[in-house]
Amino acid sequence: EAGVAQSPRYKIIEKRQSVAFWCNPISGHATLYWYQQILGQGPKLLIQFQNNGVVDDSQLPKDRFSAERLKGVDSTLKIQPAKLEDSAVYLCASSLAGTGGANEQFFGPGTRLTVL
Amino acid sequence: QQQVKQSPQSLIVQKGGISIINCAYENTAFDYFPWYQQFPGKGPALLIAIRPDVSEKKEGRFTISFNKSAKQFSLHIMDSQPGDSATYFCAASVRTGANNLFFGTGTRLTVIP
Repeated sequence: EAGVAQSPRYKIIEKRQSVAFWCNPISGHATLYWYQQILGQGPKLLIQFQNNGVVDDSQLPKDRFSAERLKGVDSTLKIQPAKLEDSAVYLCASSLAGTGGANEQFFGPGTRLTVL
Repeated sequence: QQQVKQSPQSLIVQKGGISIINCAYENTAFDYFPWYQQFPGKGPALLIAIRPDVSEKKEGRFTISFNKSAKQFSLHIMDSQPGDSATYFCAASVRTGANNLFFGTGTRLTVIP
């Protein structure tokens, strides 16, 4: 079974530039998550999708971050404009179902973003 | 506010020894407590998980101990091996609703041959 795919793996940009990350979840997984993992910290949830609807985006800085999951499969996370403090690894995860039950979340390898 | 507190930040253990990582939580609504293992350059992977209706769960060399009254849980790695060297994260969630995971800050484990 193929895992969660993410691209690019690494990205270096200057502050105030924009950047986009792509995620392809495990086939059949209805729920998709985007996490931000700052160096030395645990992952922090940014947004959760159930199919193509948003379940939770309470931690997403909506003035600069946006995410979409068209057709309930792939997802993109965008930052515009980027700030220095956005330097982190952005992890995508998916699970079979999100609401109700302790469904295991499968993580992708992440995209390491460096903002200069 | 950190929902799940984890210690120690780093841990060095001799091969064959026991590694112990501790976590504490405040939200009594949490009812699912997984541990994730993360190797450099990789995403976290589920290692073992426990629900609060049991006090201990063992899978191979990995054991979770859970103390509901103290709101604490810990990971024990028996017979630690160099291949166990990784960062370990505890997490907690509420199984109903959005089922969001709240992670601890991580423990970097180094097992010395």
